[in-house]
Amino acid sequence: EIVLTQSPGTLSLSPGERATLSCRASQSVSSSYLAWYQQKPGQAPRLLIYGASSRATGIPDRFSGSGSGTDFTLTISRLEPEDFAVYYCQQYGNSPLTFGQGTKVEIK
Amino acid sequence: QVQLQESGPGLVKPSGTLSLTCTVSGGSISTYYWSWIRQPPGKGLEWIGYIYYSGSTNYNPSLKSRVTISVDTSKNQFSLRLNSVTAADTAVYYCARHKGNGGAVDYWGQGTLVTVSS
Repeated sequence: EIVLTQSPGTLSLSPGERATLSCRASQSVSSSYLAWYQQKPGQAPRLLIYGASSRATGIPDRFSGSGSGTDFTLTISRLEPEDFAVYYCQQYGNSPLTFGQGTKVEIK
Repeated sequence: QVQLQESGPGLVKPSGTLSLTCTVSGGSISTYYWSWIRQPPGKGLEWIGYIYYSGSTNYNPSLKSRVTISVDTSKNQFSLRLNSVTAADTAVYYCARHKGNGGAVDYWGQGTLVTVSS
């Protein structure tokens, strides 16, 4: 099983600032089958990024993903008020599919 | 616009069976992979398993001995059964669709809370 470790656990930032979230895998993720999701309280997760760097339909270009192998990054270039949420990475290249434990982006 | 809706009991007794159904609307269940994913209160996401529209399945080994996922293409539905439940199975259960050929999850149901308690 591929274990995904996200850091930091909590990121305290102000609107307008840049957010950099990390996801490290215990072994190489096949074909960069790595996704990022955003989850707000009481809501289902929403797909942001798939294939490590492709934005999902309707996702603003302030969200970008990068990385390969075992190290992946989600960057939010300038935080908007609606971006404060919990973010999860997920690998879907190997079974079982696994998620990271999440990074909470909170308002400073 | 594809929509997924979970349905089933919100309360299950310990040692009983959790049964949920996901109804897909706005699109066909065919040619996609469909998953069940759960989230205990205040915790992270756990993939339970998926089914292809043809009926082939893949389960998380941590739950494999207790899980069955099935599909009914005539009703555009797929279902989850989880046996021998304990309080540790209390969670919000989501049904979800995978992009393309088993890719990332692009559509989620709203989720349904299932509590295991006597």
